[in-house]
Amino acid sequence: RKEVEQDPGPFNVPEGATVAFNCTYSNSASQSFFWYRQDCRKEPKLLMSVYSSGNEDGRFTAQLNRASQYISLLIRDSKLSDSATYLCVVNRLTGGGNKLTFGTGTQLKVEL
Amino acid sequence: NAGVTQTPKFQVLKTGQSMTLQCAQDMNHEYMSWYRQDPGMGLRLIHYSVGAGITDQGEVPNGYNVSRSTTEDFPLRLLSAAPSQTSVYFCASRRRERSGELFFGEGSRLTVL
Repeated sequence: RKEVEQDPGPFNVPEGATVAFNCTYSNSASQSFFWYRQDCRKEPKLLMSVYSSGNEDGRFTAQLNRASQYISLLIRDSKLSDSATYLCVVNRLTGGGNKLTFGTGTQLKVEL
Repeated sequence: NAGVTQTPKFQVLKTGQSMTLQCAQDMNHEYMSWYRQDPGMGLRLIHYSVGAGITDQGEVPNGYNVSRSTTEDFPLRLLSAAPSQTSVYFCASRRRERSGELFFGEGSRLTVL
C-alpha cells in the first residue's frame, strides 16, 4: 500500500461548481499535512497547510481526519484558473529526520 | 528575489554521458533537496542536505551524487546516464528541515537516449 494515495482524476467540473478531493495516508505517525498545487509543466507550490481543526483560505477549505487517516480539500465556486493538479503531502518524523511523502496528485479541469 | 534557480531547463543526453544539474537558492535556507517526478509515481526524493557540508540519501539515490559546499548551491550529478533517468527533476529548499513549505525550482526536463 502506498504511504499516500490520491484519486488521479481527472475531475471535470463546470465553472462555479464545488469539488472535493480526498487523500489517504497509511502511517498513523504522520504529523503534518499539506496541499500543493502544480500547474501543467510547472513546479509545485504550497496551496495550504492542513490543521487538525480544519482551515479555510478564501474558496479553499482543508480538513484532517486523524481517526480515518485522510485529509480533504474542498474548492467552492470553481474558477477556470483552478485547473491544475493538486498534490497531497504528508510529513512524518523518522530516525533520519523529517520525511515528506507526496501523493501522485489529483487532476482538476474546470470547464466553461 | 529569485528563490530557487535550476539550470538547465532542458537537456538531452546519450546513455553513459555524465552531467550536472545546477541548483541555487537565495533565501538562506538550510535544507535543500532534489526530487524526480515521473508519471504515476509522484515526487520521489533523490538526495537532500540539512546544511553546508552535510548530505544524505533519499528514496532513489542510485546513479546520482550531490555535494553542498555552500548554503546556496546544491548540484546534482548524473554519473553515467541511463534511459531510466529520463524524468523531470526539481530542486527544492525550505528554511529548516522541520518547516513544511518547500520552495521548488522550475524543473529540469532530462531525456536520456
